[in-house]
Amino acid sequence: KNEVEQSPQNLTAQEGEFITINCSYSVGISALHWLQQHPGGGIVSLFMLSSGKKKHGRLIATINIQEKHSSLHITASHPRDSAVYICALPRSQGNLIFGKGTKLSVKP
Amino acid sequence: DADVTQTPRNRITKTGKRIMLECSQTKGHDRMYWYRQDPGLGLRLIYYSFDVKDINKGEISDGYSVSRQAQAKFSLSLESAIPNQTALYFCATSEGTNSNQPQHFGDGTRLSIL
Repeated sequence: KNEVEQSPQNLTAQEGEFITINCSYSVGISALHWLQQHPGGGIVSLFMLSSGKKKHGRLIATINIQEKHSSLHITASHPRDSAVYICALPRSQGNLIFGKGTKLSVKP
Repeated sequence: DADVTQTPRNRITKTGKRIMLECSQTKGHDRMYWYRQDPGLGLRLIYYSFDVKDINKGEISDGYSVSRQAQAKFSLSLESAIPNQTALYFCATSEGTNSNQPQHFGDGTRLSIL
C-alpha cells in the first residue's frame, strides 16, 4: 500500500465549481506539501503545511495530523487551474515521497 | 532565468547509449535531488546529495549514477540506457538541514530511449 494516497485520480469540473482533492497518508509526518504540475510538465510548490489551514488566492489547503488527512480546495475554479495536483510528504533525508496525483480538468 | 535549470529539455536516444542529464541551480541550496516520473506511478527518488561530498542512493538508483561537480551542479548519468528508463526526469533543490523545507523543481527532462 502506498504511504500517500490521493483521490480522486481524475476530476472534471465546470468553470466556477468548488473543487476538493484529498490526500491520506499512513506515516507520521511533521508537514505535508501540495504541488501543482502544469500540462507542460513543470512542478511548482503550492503549500507546505503542518497544521490547520493555509490560503493563497483561490486555493485553500487543510490538514488534520491526527486523522492523517489533508485536502486541497479550489474556489471558483477556472480552466487555467487545469493541472495535476500532487500531495507529498517529506522524509528525513529531505526528499519527498509523492502521491500519484490528481488530474484536474476545468471546462469553460 | 529559472532558479533550477535542467538540460536538455527533451532527448531521444537509442538503447545502449550513455546519456547525461544536467541540473544547475542559482538558489544556493546545499540539497539536490533527482526524481523520475512515470505515468501512473508518481515521482520516485533516484539519488540525492546534501553537499559536494555527500551523495546517496534513492529508492531506484540501479542503472543510474550521479556527479555533484559543485554546490550548484548535479548531473545524472545513464551509463547504458535501456527502454524502461524512458521517463520524465526532475531535478529539485532544498535548503538547510530541516527536512521540512519546500522543494524547488526544474522544468524536467523528457527522455525517450528507443
